[in-house]
Amino acid sequence: EMVLTQSPATLSVSPGERVTLSCRASQTVNNNLAWHQQKPGQAPRLLIYGASTRATDIPARFSGSGSGTEFTLTISSLQSEDFAVYYCQQYNNWPLTFGGGTKVEIK
Amino acid sequence: EVQVVESGGGWVQPGRSLRLSCAASGFTFGDYAMHWVRQAPGKGLEWVSSISWNGGNIGFADSVKGRFIISRDNARNSLFLQMNSLRTEDTALYYCAKGGSFVGPSRFDCWGQGTLVTVSS
Repeated sequence: EMVLTQSPATLSVSPGERVTLSCRASQTVNNNLAWHQQKPGQAPRLLIYGASTRATDIPARFSGSGSGTEFTLTISSLQSEDFAVYYCQQYNNWPLTFGGGTKVEIK
Repeated sequence: EVQVVESGGGWVQPGRSLRLSCAASGFTFGDYAMHWVRQAPGKGLEWVSSISWNGGNIGFADSVKGRFIISRDNARNSLFLQMNSLRTEDTALYYCAKGGSFVGPSRFDCWGQGTLVTVSS
């Protein structure tokens, strides 16, 4: 099973700061990696797929990069509505797997 | 607007069964694989099961294999999850999700709000 390791587990950030989240895969997923955002009490929402393609209606401040086993989600200037948990997900192999999540909280 | 709405959750005793449904709208349902993902209280996301556009390819997580059945009715734009021999560890919010392709491993393009399944005596 493909294991995805996200770091850090929690990130304390002030609004306006640049945020970088990491996702490492136990083996290559090529670029078949997505990022999902989950706000408290809400369903997840797709942000990024194909490692770097923004999903529909996702603001340009969100960007994804990486390939193979190392991936990054960057939020260029954190807004108040971006405080949430972020999950990476691989879809290169069965079973589909998620990382453990990174919680972005207010500093 | 692309939308999926789950229903059918509730409280059930261990060993019993429950059937979840997912109603899709806003896209050509029969063109896409569909998925179930769950989230135990306070925990992360766990993929449960997937079904290809025509039901010809199906997959399950090891944790539910042999107990859960996934199916779909393209004429009714509906996805189902029959959950048998339920265990306390199946307690979770179950999400229906639209896939990004018609078959194979996929991202989750659109998520429903989830339906809560509680397994307890």
